[in-house]
Amino acid sequence: EAGVAQSPRYKIIEKRQSVAFWCNPISGHATLYWYQQILGQGPKLLIQFQNNGVVDDSQLPKDRFSAERLKGVDSTLKIQPAKLEDSAVYLCASSSPWQAGNTIYFGEGSWLTVV
Amino acid sequence: KNEVEQSPQNLTAQEGEFITINCSYSVGISALHWLQQHPGGGIVSLFMLSSGKKKHGRLIATINIQEKHSSLHITASHPRDSAVYICATKNTGNQFYFGTGTSLTVIP
Repeated sequence: EAGVAQSPRYKIIEKRQSVAFWCNPISGHATLYWYQQILGQGPKLLIQFQNNGVVDDSQLPKDRFSAERLKGVDSTLKIQPAKLEDSAVYLCASSSPWQAGNTIYFGEGSWLTVV
Repeated sequence: KNEVEQSPQNLTAQEGEFITINCSYSVGISALHWLQQHPGGGIVSLFMLSSGKKKHGRLIATINIQEKHSSLHITASHPRDSAVYICATKNTGNQFYFGTGTSLTVIP
C-alpha cells in the first residue's frame, strides 16, 4: 500500500514570497490533515478535510494560509506571503473513519525555511 | 480541544535501561495514539489504544481511561530507539490533538 506522498520535500524561500505544498493521501482515505510542526514542538493542526469539505480550520492563519482539496483526493496548502515564523515542517496525514483501527498515516513532511 | 501533556520532555538513557514516557489529557477520547518520529523522517504510528494494554516487541503501551493517562514503556532500550515519541488523542470527530513530544536518546 502506497503511503502519504508529499512534495516538495524541502523548500527555502525569502520572506514575502509564496510557496505551495502538495499532498496525496492513501487511496480511499476520506480524512486529510495538514499539520505545522515547529522544531521542538508537537504537530499543530492547520486544517482537516473530510472528502472535499473542511471539518476544522480554526487554527489556520487565513490571512496568509489557504488549503484546498477540490476533488476530495489530493490537497494543496499555500502560504502567501511567507513570514520568518512560518519556517517549520508541514505534515500531511490521512485516515479512514470507516476502517477498523482507524489509525493515522503521515507523509514525510515538507520542510520549509523562510529567510 | 484536548490538552495533551507529555513527560518528560527530554530523556537520556543507557542502552538496556527500561524507559517510561507518560501522557495525560484533559477530555474524553475515542482513542489514543503513540507515534514515533525520527530526525529528518516522517511520523510512524506505534500503537492505537482505547483501553487496557498493547505490546509490540519491546514496546508496551497502557491506558487508564478513568485517569486520562497513558504510558509508553520500552524494555531493554537500544540506540536505535532514539527518536521523538509523541502522544496524540483522537475524538469521535476524528480530530487529533498532539503532545509536544518526548525526545529520547539512548546511549550505547
